[in-house]
Amino acid sequence: EIVLTQSPATLSLSPGERATLSCRASQSVSSYLAWYQQKPGQAPRLLIYDASNRATGIPTRFSGSGSGTDFTLTISSLEPEDFAVYYCQQRSIWPPLFTFGPGTKVDIK
Amino acid sequence: QVQLVQSGAEVKKPGASVKVSCRASGYTFTGYYMHWVRQAPGQGLEWMGWINPNSAGTNYAQKFQGRVTMTRDTSISTAYMELSRLTSDDTAVYYCAKGAHITAADYWGQGTLVTVSS
Repeated sequence: EIVLTQSPATLSLSPGERATLSCRASQSVSSYLAWYQQKPGQAPRLLIYDASNRATGIPTRFSGSGSGTDFTLTISSLEPEDFAVYYCQQRSIWPPLFTFGPGTKVDIK
Repeated sequence: QVQLVQSGAEVKKPGASVKVSCRASGYTFTGYYMHWVRQAPGQGLEWMGWINPNSAGTNYAQKFQGRVTMTRDTSISTAYMELSRLTSDDTAVYYCAKGAHITAADYWGQGTLVTVSS
């Protein structure tokens, strides 16, 4: 089973700053990686799929990169509405199973 | 627009089963996998499995094998997730989520809170 590790667990930043979130897989997942944002009391929202493709309607300040085992979600300039928890999720090639990482909380400094 | 509407909150006793429904609209139900994900209070997301509404084929996370059953009724564009032999550890919000791009889930239901308590 592929295990995802996210770092840091918490990221304290100010609006306007750049956020860099990391996700590492225990073995290669190729580019089968997605990122989600979740705010309290809400369902997750898909931000990035296939490692670097923005989902429909996602602002360009969100970008994803990486392949294999190391991935990054970058928020170029934090807006007030970006303070939330971010999860990475992988899909194993076979069998096609999903796994989520433990999450990174981005909070206001 | 795509909508996933889930059934209401449930309270169950330990050992019982729960069945959560997810009614889809705004897209071709049989064209996309449906995933089920749960989130215990204050915890992260946990993927439970998916169902292919076209074939009824399923794939479950190993943790839930033997205890979860995912089904669908294409005539009413509804997916179901049934979890048996409930314990207090199953207290969580359960989400259905429409598969997208093979590797992700792009639309999510509002969540269904399942509370297991004696």
